[in-house]
Amino acid sequence: DAMVIQNPRYQVTQFGKPVTLSCSQTLNHNVMYWYQQKSSQAPKLLFHYYDKDFNNEADTPDNFQSRRPNTSFCFLDIRSPGLGDAAMYLCATSRDPTGTNEKLFFGSGTQLSVL
Amino acid sequence: DQQVKQNSPSLSVQEGRISILNCDYTNSMFDYFLWYKKYPAEGPTFLISISSIKDKNEDGRFTVFLNKSAKHLSLHIVPSQPGDSAVYFCAASGTSGSRLTFGEGTQLTVNP
Repeated sequence: DAMVIQNPRYQVTQFGKPVTLSCSQTLNHNVMYWYQQKSSQAPKLLFHYYDKDFNNEADTPDNFQSRRPNTSFCFLDIRSPGLGDAAMYLCATSRDPTGTNEKLFFGSGTQLSVL
Repeated sequence: DQQVKQNSPSLSVQEGRISILNCDYTNSMFDYFLWYKKYPAEGPTFLISISSIKDKNEDGRFTVFLNKSAKHLSLHIVPSQPGDSAVYFCAASGTSGSRLTFGEGTQLTVNP
């Protein structure tokens, strides 16, 4: 089945220690997104890639970076995790951000803990 | 600036009854609305959507109603089943792109 896969499901890191979360998709979608969701809050868009074009949200901290080496894979790098970065990180895909009535397909998420 | 708001963090209903989840938005440029369902330890899954040219969309037990003048939409589930217990997110986007803005979610519990 075509899907969006995130690894690992749970990630524990130390304060200030770089961490990378990964996402892969078999949907062959052009767009990949990273959302951050803290408990009882709305998922918040960090950035997205439209093919190789990177689009950062204005309020995404510089501590968060992303890489998309090919259509299938996208990585979220947190350079120096702080306690406030503990959250669920959701990867999602869609075919075309300029199209109307697009819906997103989500992975299962990576729950990040920062000790 | 929360452009999509779900004011009820939780809702509890009896099995077989109707569940009504509400969502309000402030951005008049939004013209496409979606509901996502999320089980614990899983990502959100698409449930149902509605375009602003409609005021109702139905899919089996799920119906979404849109009131553009009030900037309000609601999701009706009837009859509710215990398997419907999940967090429901309302989301919206505009014609300028499909970057979804989400609400905070409502935890629905359907009691047997």
